[in-house]
Amino acid sequence: NAGVTQTPKFQVLKTGQSMTLQCAQDMNHNSMYWYRQDPGMGLRLIYYSASEGTTDKGEVPNGYNVSRLNKREFSLRLESAAPSQTSVYFCASSEYQNTEAFFGQGTRLTVV
Amino acid sequence: LAKTTQPISMDSYEGQEVNITCSHNNIATNDYITWYQQFPSQGPRFIIQGYKTKVTNEVASLFIPADRKSSTLSLPRVSLSDTAVYYCLVVRTGTASKLTFGTGTRLQVTL
Repeated sequence: NAGVTQTPKFQVLKTGQSMTLQCAQDMNHNSMYWYRQDPGMGLRLIYYSASEGTTDKGEVPNGYNVSRLNKREFSLRLESAAPSQTSVYFCASSEYQNTEAFFGQGTRLTVV
Repeated sequence: LAKTTQPISMDSYEGQEVNITCSHNNIATNDYITWYQQFPSQGPRFIIQGYKTKVTNEVASLFIPADRKSSTLSLPRVSLSDTAVYYCLVVRTGTASKLTFGTGTRLQVTL
């Protein structure tokens, strides 16, 4: 049972570089989410996808784009990385928005 | 969605019962109360969800009074391994809902 798989686990970027964080779930869930968590802070919602084919902004969408590629996959793209985007990024999925969400192991991103 | 307020931190000794209260004054009729637990360097994990009265599972109990403006997560006989951050969320049914986390309550359990 893989659950929610995020790649990569660690990444170091230089300011201005771009990259895509990948997330895949094997639970046939409809909803998927991307969060960031700064040290000692709670999770902040970046983008979410209530169902395949839809995406919506969360609390902190600036500097990010997302793609719900299919029901399984939801990617997060940083077009021009900034040091302020140094954080741990979590992907999650749930059957519906009001049901139990399952989280990936996180991607630790450092922008220098 | 209703904003939630919970204590920033709590301390407990091993073996005690811990109650974490969350305030959600503007909760709506179709909102559920959900709690998650997060250990360092891990993603949050679902603990329990309820609508009203009391819900119990193998990990915790959730008490919700009739007015639903607050809820209390109860952890019986905590151990060192219960040291974590606990998040209270209000989740809406029926429409697209943002699963929004607050700052959570940092529970420290010691011997």
